[in-house]
Amino acid sequence: TQLLEQSPQFLSIQEGENLTVYCNSSSVFSSLQWYRQEPGEGPVLLVTVVTGGEVKKLKRLTFQFGDARKDSSLHITAAQPGDTGLYLCAGARFQGAQKLVFGQGTRLTINP
Amino acid sequence: DADVTQTPRNRITKTGKRIMLECSQTKGHDRMYWYRQDPGLGLRLIYYSFDVKDINKGEISDGYSVSRQAQAKFSLSLESAIPNQTALYFCATSGTGTNTEAFFGQGTRLTVV
Repeated sequence: TQLLEQSPQFLSIQEGENLTVYCNSSSVFSSLQWYRQEPGEGPVLLVTVVTGGEVKKLKRLTFQFGDARKDSSLHITAAQPGDTGLYLCAGARFQGAQKLVFGQGTRLTINP
Repeated sequence: DADVTQTPRNRITKTGKRIMLECSQTKGHDRMYWYRQDPGLGLRLIYYSFDVKDINKGEISDGYSVSRQAQAKFSLSLESAIPNQTALYFCATSGTGTNTEAFFGQGTRLTVV
């Protein structure tokens, strides 16, 4: 059973369109991180959200942490081919150990 | 140079063989991790270590072992490789603060035939 469910798992859209990726759980997290992974590389951190309801913006990317700290979303405005990649959400639990739990990932393709 | 270096980058091995994947980091972090990535399953934690004397099992540790040789080095071993251990393996490191970033290596693509 996946602790963090990402949807959709695959998304292919045209350049200029908007999209939203969701990351849902029944568990509460102390924080949630979003990573982006390119082929042949390891994941690289995009953002960390910590407070329930928090919204962070990174250029055309908007990240939101749910009020109850159980879910998060990533919204991309006017997607560009350079946004193509695998997007992973990862949650840190309320424990002494800071172990990350990853979602399955969303493979995003932006077509020119 | 990369902050987290994994060797080898690619490896093909036969069923039943022992194989070691190595990881070194220059971040000066105490915490190191080994993950496995499979299509549709994201990253799953195999083992983690919060300092040189600390080793902990992750969610999928069966069939794997690790050694923390130094603060900067953390190796993963498959004692007797089997085909369903074919996957992309990532080493990562993080600081000790709350909500800290994980820094990943470039991955090792392992194929067991």
